[in-house]
Amino acid sequence: AQSVSQHNHHVILSEAASLELGCNYSYGGTVNLFWYVQYPGQHLQLLLKYFSGDPLVKGIKGFEAEFIKSKFSFNLRKPSVQWSDTAEYFCAAGLYNTDKLIFGTGTRLQVFP
Amino acid sequence: DSGVTQTPKHLITATGQRVTLRCSPRSGDLSVYWYQQSLDQGLQFLIQYYNGEERAKGNILERFSAQQFPDLHSELNLSSLELGDSALYFCASSAGTILGMADTQYFGPGTRLTVL
Repeated sequence: AQSVSQHNHHVILSEAASLELGCNYSYGGTVNLFWYVQYPGQHLQLLLKYFSGDPLVKGIKGFEAEFIKSKFSFNLRKPSVQWSDTAEYFCAAGLYNTDKLIFGTGTRLQVFP
Repeated sequence: DSGVTQTPKHLITATGQRVTLRCSPRSGDLSVYWYQQSLDQGLQFLIQYYNGEERAKGNILERFSAQQFPDLHSELNLSSLELGDSALYFCASSAGTILGMADTQYFGPGTRLTVL
């Protein structure tokens, strides 16, 4: 069955550290890929998405993600995190011929000042 | 603001009771998705409706049901509530597909259900 894996369940960083959160999907066909962020006590918000074209996608708040087809990966990066980036991050994949997204289990990021 | 609205924001009820959660999708979106989020189970997809018809089912219990009305708002009905049903319930909407692929889902603010 198709799935999305986020291997980092909990990441703890200090402010100004660089961030990379892993996301891998298991599907051989064309995919749409998404990163959502959920701040404490809030709902999921779209951070960025990849449909086609340039595999390096820039999102809001300085986040970016790179789609590497050969590795089935869509890792999220930020060069310098802030305390306000403390949140849970979800990777999701949309497959061909379905309008349902498959979500990963999420990565909880804690940033300390 | 995603444009998706959910009511109520909080709901406290007792075991064995029945509740209804309501969701209004973004203007123009035909698809509505329901998710349950709890600390131990994470984000679980429950059910999807598209233009009034059930499109996909996930980990939805038989005690739970949903429907989408002609004006495209959706309701999730939870009955015979148990302590374990306490969770955040999110609704999301999307246009459906774009070039045959799943389009972006936009999430509502959620309903926090507490079963005592």
